[in-house]
Amino acid sequence: EVQLVDSGGGSVQPGRSLRLSCVVSGFTFDDYAMHWVRQPPGRGLEWVSGVTWSGRGVGYADSVKGRFTISRDNTKNSLSLQMTNLSPEDTAVYFCVKDSYSGLCTGPGCRAHFDSWGLGTLVAVSS
Amino acid sequence: QSVLTQPPSVSAAPGQKVTISCSGSTSNIGNNYVSWYQHLPGSAPKVIIFDNDKRPSGIPDRFSGSKSGTSATLAIIGLQAGDEADYYCATWDGSLSAGGVFGGGTKVTVL
Repeated sequence: EVQLVDSGGGSVQPGRSLRLSCVVSGFTFDDYAMHWVRQPPGRGLEWVSGVTWSGRGVGYADSVKGRFTISRDNTKNSLSLQMTNLSPEDTAVYFCVKDSYSGLCTGPGCRAHFDSWGLGTLVAVSS
Repeated sequence: QSVLTQPPSVSAAPGQKVTISCSGSTSNIGNNYVSWYQHLPGSAPKVIIFDNDKRPSGIPDRFSGSKSGTSATLAIIGLQAGDEADYYCATWDGSLSAGGVFGGGTKVTVL
């Protein structure tokens, strides 16, 4: 059974940092790209960041580019999201998500989808 | 404001049909495949349609998806109480660097 257990959320003040983690099991981790998707309170889902199976390719939403860093450790079946200079707009439930493919979409005809999700971890940014 | 446009809510009685539209552009839906997700609050979202119209194993055939041009549609027939949830469309946007995009979500209410 595929399992994604995300953790690391909490309450932080604006401008501070937080690191989210996700440990997975039930599939060959280094065969697939991984993502973080967030849901602000009362709002819809928003793609945050993705990383290729090897960790060498990454992508970020414009809203977090330059502040968030995604990484993975294939020896530990783990995915991380380092978040710096947090603002109240980053308040959301953050989901660790498995891709259906190994790479990130870079061109037309992309078929990748998010085929497994964690339960999410809440990040609350306020003073 | 989401890149993909969905109606905020739809509703129907048990046994009836609902359809949810998802409108985008040539840089996203027009040139990529669409997936749909069901999300019950407090739980993990679940993929119910991928590659525009395919169902993962375990998803009943009451759920169907289609795509035409820059729009996609999710249909649910034989509506059941357990279908009451938020539904999101998603795809990829060629104008962004490896960027996923979602619709704003549609709340399905079973009357």
